[in-house]
Amino acid sequence: GNSVTQMEGPVTLSEEAFLTINCTYTATGYPSLFWYVQYPGEGLQLLLKATKADDKGSNKGFEATYRKETTSFHLEKGSVQVSDSAVYFCALIDSGAGSYQLTFGKGTKLSVIP
Amino acid sequence: GAGVSQSPSNKVTEKGKDVELRCDPISGHTALYWYRQSLGQGLEFLIYFQGNSAPDKSGLPSDRFSAERTGGSVSTLTIQRTQQEDSAVYLCASSLGGRVDEQFFGPGTRLTVL
Repeated sequence: GNSVTQMEGPVTLSEEAFLTINCTYTATGYPSLFWYVQYPGEGLQLLLKATKADDKGSNKGFEATYRKETTSFHLEKGSVQVSDSAVYFCALIDSGAGSYQLTFGKGTKLSVIP
Repeated sequence: GAGVSQSPSNKVTEKGKDVELRCDPISGHTALYWYRQSLGQGLEFLIYFQGNSAPDKSGLPSDRFSAERTGGSVSTLTIQRTQQEDSAVYLCASSLGGRVDEQFFGPGTRLTVL
Protein backbone atom coordinates (compact mmCIF):
# COMPACT_ATOMS: atom_id res chain seq x y z
CA GLY A 1 0.00 0.00 0.00
CA ASN A 2 0.88 3.67 -0.09
CA SER A 3 2.24 5.59 2.87
CA VAL A 4 3.88 8.90 3.73
CA THR A 5 6.30 9.49 6.58
CA GLN A 6 7.22 12.99 7.63
CA MET A 7 9.28 14.30 10.48
CA GLU A 8 7.52 14.66 13.78
CA GLY A 9 7.02 18.10 15.18
CA PRO A 10 6.64 20.48 16.60
CA VAL A 11 9.36 22.53 14.95
CA THR A 12 10.16 25.95 16.40
CA LEU A 13 12.32 28.36 14.45
CA SER A 14 13.32 31.98 14.73
CA GLU A 15 12.25 34.35 11.98
CA GLU A 16 14.55 34.24 8.92
CA ALA A 17 15.84 30.77 9.80
CA PHE A 18 16.14 28.00 7.19
CA LEU A 19 13.40 25.40 7.19
CA THR A 20 13.52 21.76 6.17
CA ILE A 21 10.69 19.32 6.79
CA ASN A 22 11.56 15.80 5.69
CA CYS A 23 9.09 13.60 3.84
CA THR A 24 9.55 10.13 2.42
CA TYR A 25 6.99 7.94 0.73
CA THR A 26 6.13 4.41 -0.27
CA ALA A 27 3.95 3.86 -3.31
CA THR A 28 3.05 0.92 -5.49
CA GLY A 29 2.86 3.05 -8.62
CA TYR A 30 4.25 6.37 -9.75
CA PRO A 31 2.66 8.96 -7.50
CA SER A 32 2.19 12.69 -7.62
CA LEU A 33 3.48 14.40 -4.49
CA PHE A 34 2.07 17.34 -2.57
CA TRP A 35 2.62 19.64 0.36
CA TYR A 36 -0.53 20.99 1.99
CA VAL A 37 -0.61 23.68 4.68
CA GLN A 38 -3.18 24.26 7.39
CA TYR A 39 -3.08 27.68 9.02
CA PRO A 40 -4.64 28.04 12.48
CA GLY A 41 -8.42 27.85 12.25
CA GLU A 42 -8.42 27.27 8.49
CA GLY A 43 -8.80 24.38 6.08
CA LEU A 44 -6.15 22.58 4.08
CA GLN A 45 -4.57 24.53 1.25
CA LEU A 46 -2.37 23.13 -1.47
CA LEU A 47 1.07 24.67 -1.09
CA LEU A 48 2.92 22.98 -3.95
CA LYS A 49 3.06 19.78 -5.96
CA ALA A 50 5.25 17.75 -8.29
CA THR A 51 4.07 15.07 -10.66
CA LYS A 52 7.24 13.39 -11.91
CA ALA A 53 10.80 12.66 -10.91
CA ASP A 54 13.14 15.67 -10.60
CA ASP A 55 10.22 18.10 -10.80
CA LYS A 56 10.49 20.99 -8.36
CA GLY A 57 7.31 22.42 -6.91
CA SER A 58 7.50 25.95 -5.55
CA ASN A 59 5.18 28.53 -4.03
CA LYS A 60 5.47 31.42 -1.53
CA GLY A 61 9.21 30.82 -1.18
CA PHE A 62 8.76 27.13 -0.36
CA GLU A 63 10.31 24.45 -2.57
CA ALA A 64 10.31 20.67 -2.76
CA THR A 65 11.96 18.37 -5.31
CA TYR A 66 10.57 14.96 -6.28
CA ARG A 67 13.45 12.52 -5.69
CA LYS A 68 12.52 9.10 -7.02
CA GLU A 69 15.86 7.53 -6.12
CA THR A 70 15.42 8.38 -2.44
CA THR A 71 11.58 8.37 -2.49
CA SER A 72 11.62 11.79 -0.88
CA PHE A 73 9.93 15.17 -1.21
CA HIS A 74 11.48 17.39 1.45
CA LEU A 75 10.02 20.86 1.99
CA GLU A 76 12.45 23.79 2.26
CA LYS A 77 12.30 27.53 2.71
CA GLY A 78 15.31 29.78 2.95
CA SER A 79 13.91 32.35 5.36
CA VAL A 80 10.76 31.67 7.35
CA GLN A 81 8.37 34.32 8.59
CA VAL A 82 6.00 34.40 11.55
CA SER A 83 3.13 34.08 9.07
CA ASP A 84 4.47 30.65 8.03
CA SER A 85 3.42 29.22 11.39
CA ALA A 86 1.06 26.37 10.47
CA VAL A 87 0.80 22.60 10.17
CA TYR A 88 2.37 21.15 7.03
CA PHE A 89 1.25 17.86 5.51
CA CYS A 90 3.09 15.83 2.92
CA ALA A 91 0.80 13.74 0.71
CA LEU A 92 0.72 11.56 -2.36
CA ILE A 93 -1.80 10.35 -4.85
CA ASP A 94 -1.18 7.38 -7.08
CA SER A 95 -3.33 8.67 -9.91
CA GLY A 96 -1.43 6.58 -12.43
CA ALA A 97 -2.82 3.49 -10.73
CA GLY A 98 -6.31 4.93 -10.94
CA SER A 99 -6.40 6.11 -7.35
CA TYR A 100 -8.17 9.27 -6.30
CA GLN A 101 -7.49 9.36 -2.61
CA LEU A 102 -4.79 11.46 -1.06
CA THR A 103 -2.58 9.64 1.42
CA PHE A 104 -1.25 12.05 4.04
CA GLY A 105 1.59 12.10 6.49
CA LYS A 106 0.86 12.88 10.13
CA GLY A 107 1.65 16.57 9.78
CA THR A 108 4.41 18.77 11.16
CA LYS A 109 3.55 21.80 13.24
CA LEU A 110 5.81 24.77 12.58
CA SER A 111 6.02 27.71 14.94
CA VAL A 112 8.07 30.73 13.91
CA ILE A 113 8.97 33.18 16.64
CA PRO A 114 10.00 36.81 16.07
CA GLY B 1 -19.51 30.23 -4.07
CA ALA B 2 -15.84 30.64 -4.68
CA GLY B 3 -14.71 27.69 -2.61
CA VAL B 4 -15.89 24.51 -0.95
CA SER B 5 -18.24 25.23 1.91
CA GLN B 6 -19.21 22.97 4.77
CA SER B 7 -21.87 23.19 7.43
CA PRO B 8 -22.11 23.29 10.31
CA SER B 9 -18.64 24.50 11.21
CA ASN B 10 -18.99 22.97 14.66
CA LYS B 11 -21.30 20.26 15.93
CA VAL B 12 -21.58 18.98 19.47
CA THR B 13 -23.77 15.96 19.98
CA GLU B 14 -24.48 13.32 22.55
CA LYS B 15 -23.35 9.74 22.17
CA GLY B 16 -25.96 7.70 20.33
CA LYS B 17 -27.46 10.58 18.34
CA ASP B 18 -27.36 10.82 14.54
CA VAL B 19 -25.62 13.72 12.78
CA GLU B 20 -25.58 15.05 9.23
CA LEU B 21 -22.69 17.00 7.79
CA ARG B 22 -23.08 18.95 4.59
CA CYS B 23 -20.65 19.83 1.82
CA ASP B 24 -21.17 22.26 -1.05
CA PRO B 25 -18.44 21.74 -3.66
CA ILE B 26 -17.04 24.31 -6.03
CA SER B 27 -19.48 24.90 -8.86
CA GLY B 28 -18.70 22.64 -11.81
CA HIS B 29 -16.61 20.18 -9.82
CA THR B 30 -17.94 16.71 -10.51
CA ALA B 31 -15.65 14.88 -8.09
CA LEU B 32 -16.18 15.15 -4.34
CA TYR B 33 -14.21 13.59 -1.48
CA TRP B 34 -14.69 13.20 2.25
CA TYR B 35 -11.74 12.90 4.66
CA ARG B 36 -11.52 12.75 8.43
CA GLN B 37 -8.85 14.44 10.54
CA SER B 38 -8.44 13.09 14.05
CA LEU B 39 -5.68 13.30 16.64
CA GLY B 40 -5.04 9.59 16.70
CA GLN B 41 -5.34 8.71 13.03
CA GLY B 42 -4.28 11.85 11.21
CA LEU B 43 -5.99 12.50 7.87
CA GLU B 44 -7.94 9.55 6.49
CA PHE B 45 -9.84 9.18 3.25
CA LEU B 46 -13.49 8.21 3.70
CA ILE B 47 -15.32 8.22 0.37
CA TYR B 48 -15.21 9.56 -3.17
CA PHE B 49 -18.03 10.60 -5.49
CA GLN B 50 -17.89 10.99 -9.23
CA GLY B 51 -21.15 12.66 -10.05
CA ASN B 52 -23.77 11.08 -7.80
CA SER B 53 -22.13 7.68 -7.56
CA ALA B 54 -19.58 6.48 -5.04
CA PRO B 55 -17.43 3.78 -6.63
CA ASP B 56 -15.43 3.22 -3.48
CA LYS B 57 -16.90 3.24 0.02
CA SER B 58 -14.15 1.16 1.57
CA GLY B 59 -12.77 4.08 3.57
CA LEU B 60 -15.93 4.45 5.64
CA PRO B 61 -14.94 3.25 9.13
CA SER B 62 -18.15 1.39 9.94
CA ASP B 63 -21.69 0.80 8.71
CA ARG B 64 -22.83 3.67 10.90
CA PHE B 65 -21.32 5.98 8.30
CA SER B 66 -23.06 6.72 5.02
CA ALA B 67 -22.88 9.44 2.40
CA GLU B 68 -24.94 10.57 -0.51
CA ARG B 69 -24.72 13.15 -3.22
CA THR B 70 -27.66 14.52 -5.13
CA GLY B 71 -27.80 16.49 -8.36
CA GLY B 72 -24.07 16.10 -8.77
CA SER B 73 -23.56 18.85 -6.24
CA VAL B 74 -24.28 18.86 -2.50
CA SER B 75 -23.16 15.89 -0.43
CA THR B 76 -24.26 14.78 3.02
CA LEU B 77 -22.22 12.57 5.34
CA THR B 78 -24.41 10.90 7.94
CA ILE B 79 -23.16 9.26 11.10
CA GLN B 80 -25.70 7.17 12.96
CA ARG B 81 -25.53 6.34 16.66
CA THR B 82 -22.45 8.50 17.16
CA GLN B 83 -19.63 7.27 19.37
CA GLN B 84 -16.94 9.27 21.12
CA GLU B 85 -14.32 7.93 18.71
CA ASP B 86 -16.22 9.68 15.89
CA SER B 87 -15.04 13.03 17.28
CA ALA B 88 -12.89 14.58 14.57
CA VAL B 89 -12.79 17.26 11.91
CA TYR B 90 -14.59 16.08 8.78
CA LEU B 91 -13.15 17.62 5.62
CA CYS B 92 -14.73 17.77 2.20
CA ALA B 93 -12.85 18.41 -1.03
CA SER B 94 -13.84 18.74 -4.66
CA SER B 95 -12.12 18.69 -8.02
CA LEU B 96 -12.84 18.79 -11.70
CA GLY B 97 -13.73 15.30 -12.85
CA GLY B 98 -10.40 14.04 -14.05
CA ARG B 99 -8.19 16.19 -11.86
CA VAL B 100 -7.82 14.09 -8.75
CA ASP B 101 -4.47 15.79 -8.19
CA GLU B 102 -6.14 19.18 -7.69
CA GLN B 103 -8.44 18.70 -4.74
CA PHE B 104 -9.70 21.87 -3.08
CA PHE B 105 -10.64 21.52 0.56
CA GLY B 106 -13.37 23.13 2.60
CA PRO B 107 -12.85 24.48 6.13
CA GLY B 108 -14.20 21.32 7.75
CA THR B 109 -16.82 20.47 10.34
CA ARG B 110 -15.55 19.86 13.86
CA LEU B 111 -17.65 17.11 15.42
CA THR B 112 -17.54 16.54 19.16
CA VAL B 113 -19.38 13.55 20.61
CA LEU B 114 -19.93 13.83 24.35
